Amino acid sequence: ILNVEQSPQSLHVQEGDSTNFTCSFPSSNFYALHWYRWETAKSPEALFVMTLNGDEKKKGRISATLNTKEGYSYLYIKGSQPEDSATYLCAFHSGYSTLTFGKGTMLLVSP
Amino acid sequence: NAGVTQTPKFQVLKTGQSMTLQCAQDMNHEYMSWYRQDPGMGLRLIHYSVGAGITDQGEVPNGYNVSRSTTEDFPLRLLSAAPSQTSVYFCASSYFESGANVLTFGAGSRLTVL
Repeated sequence: ILNVEQSPQSLHVQEGDSTNFTCSFPSSNFYALHWYRWETAKSPEALFVMTLNGDEKKKGRISATLNTKEGYSYLYIKGSQPEDSATYLCAFHSGYSTLTFGKGTMLLVSP
Repeated sequence: NAGVTQTPKFQVLKTGQSMTLQCAQDMNHEYMSWYRQDPGMGLRLIHYSVGAGITDQGEVPNGYNVSRSTTEDFPLRLLSAAPSQTSVYFCASSYFESGANVLTFGAGSRLTVL
């Protein structure tokens, strides 16, 4: 069983704050690292998939970086808005075709 | 284009009963999978399929069966329900981006076993 750790477990910020979370994963057998956004009462939706060391992806105010050599990825949200409130999941994709998910970081953005 | 459709959304079973959670996708994705989500545990893979006629076990397969007779459908069967199978179940199908599987999830099925 692969170990995928996310921190912090939860985060409460004010509207306009910038924030970031961490995903740690095994540095061997790396194939891809995924980020998903999961709003309450909905299903997870893909944000990013990254495959190369040093990859940076951006979608609006959300961006992600990847370091495969040391086994971590950061997700950044610039100028958080209440609609950013969700659980953010990372998932590690090894060379064996299945995804292993972390437990998620729950973000609450207050107006 | 409906995406991934799961039924039922809610189900209550008694211990020992059997049932099937249905999953269908209309995106012609080869890869499909079933996850369960429990508090404090994150999403855990039950079974997956890389194409019609091919299935394999994930992290927590015990007590569940799957089959993949068509590309579109991937039902999950509970053979003899136990309270430990109370959970929210998500079906997902995958497309490839940058060579990696990117999951599209269904809306989830909440199962309670009494």
